[in-house]
Amino acid sequence: AQSVSQHNHHVILSEAASLELGCNYSYGGTVNLFWYVQYPGQHLQLLLKYFSGDPLVKGIKGFEAEFIKSKFSFNLRKPSVQWSDTAEYFCAVMKTTDSWGKLQFGAGTQVVVTP
Amino acid sequence: SQTIHQWPATLVQPVGSPLSLECTVEGTSNPNLYWYRQAAGRGLQLLFYSVGIGQISSEVPQNLSASRPQDRQFILSSKKLLLSDSGFYLCAWSVKAGFTDTQYFGPGTRLTVL
Repeated sequence: AQSVSQHNHHVILSEAASLELGCNYSYGGTVNLFWYVQYPGQHLQLLLKYFSGDPLVKGIKGFEAEFIKSKFSFNLRKPSVQWSDTAEYFCAVMKTTDSWGKLQFGAGTQVVVTP
Repeated sequence: SQTIHQWPATLVQPVGSPLSLECTVEGTSNPNLYWYRQAAGRGLQLLFYSVGIGQISSEVPQNLSASRPQDRQFILSSKKLLLSDSGFYLCAWSVKAGFTDTQYFGPGTRLTVL
């Protein structure tokens, strides 16, 4: 069965530190890839997405992610985090062959940025 | 612009009681609609999806059901709640772009079953 793995459940780092969150999936076919973020008390919202083309995608708030097909990975990065980046981050994968767009989510990574 | 509403925001219900959660989307027509559940420490699990009025597909067997009485309304129900139904329920919508478009999520309903 297809699965999505996020390597860290909790990450604590200081402001200005760099952030990288790992995401790997097990499906071998063509996929669409997403990172969603849930700030405290807010909706789950899209951070960035990859459908095709340049494997390095840029999202909102200075985030970027790189799709490495050979590694089945879609890691999220930010060079310098801010306190406001404290949130839970979810990786999600969608098989392009699905007829109804099912999103398979990872378990999420809680990121805490300390001042 | 499109918006998605869910209510109630929070709900505390006794075991064995019925449930009705509502989701409505504004600013778009004929969307795909989805119900997810997020349990503590776990990712989101897809429960139901709908491609049109009266068309519901279930992803996992469970104590819950869904209905779509109107184009932009999606309802999650249960006749008798179980303790295991506690969780955070999210509704989402997407446009019909080959089913591969982005899903947009509502604010969610936190359900506690006691």
